[in-house]
Amino acid sequence: GQNIDQPTEMTATEGAIVQINCTYQTSGFNGLFWYQQHAGEAPTFLSYNVLDGLEEKGRFSSFLSRSKGYSYLLLKELQMKDSASYLCAVRGGSGGGADGLTFGKGTHLIIQP
Amino acid sequence: ETGVTQTPRHLVMGMTNKKSLKCEQHLGHNAMYWYKQSAKKPLELMFVYSLEERVENNSVPSRFSPECPNSSHLFLHLHTLQPEDSALYLCASSQEGTYNEQFFGPGTRLTVL
Repeated sequence: GQNIDQPTEMTATEGAIVQINCTYQTSGFNGLFWYQQHAGEAPTFLSYNVLDGLEEKGRFSSFLSRSKGYSYLLLKELQMKDSASYLCAVRGGSGGGADGLTFGKGTHLIIQP
Repeated sequence: ETGVTQTPRHLVMGMTNKKSLKCEQHLGHNAMYWYKQSAKKPLELMFVYSLEERVENNSVPSRFSPECPNSSHLFLHLHTLQPEDSALYLCASSQEGTYNEQFFGPGTRLTVL
């Protein structure tokens, strides 16, 4: 089966750092994605990991440990506009093909002044 | 227009109606997807099309019927829906052969009365 877990809600302060964790148990694995979704809008791509380790992209970093079925998204220098839902998603399949994503329920991040 | 567009943005229909959702991608991608997003549930994959061929049907009831006439357009035909089908329906596209980042449209908010 497919199971992806992430916290339902987190609160952080403007200017601080927050880490959103994601654990997964899926029948296949060929990459893990993080998406950001503001209320009423489409999800937008943040990061992709397929090998173990850290990927950094400006204020956002994502980490993957395939042996532990674990990933986290790290957001630095938080801004009010970072208030959104953050979706963890796993791609199964053999890679390179059109494989649908299995999503977690999302983490609603609230940024306080 | 750029990116992935969806029409209509909002739709209200009765259980006996027949309607269609339309998605168009302007990114030159060769794979397209339908997802369903219900309140308090994760994004659920419904259908995957690769090079205009359906490659995955994620156990979706037959009252949902997809159509992909070419690589830029994707439809979801709806008939005899149930109130529990009320949700946000999201279309996405990607390019096979890459890490397959999926770009999402803004969605159609569907209400079934």
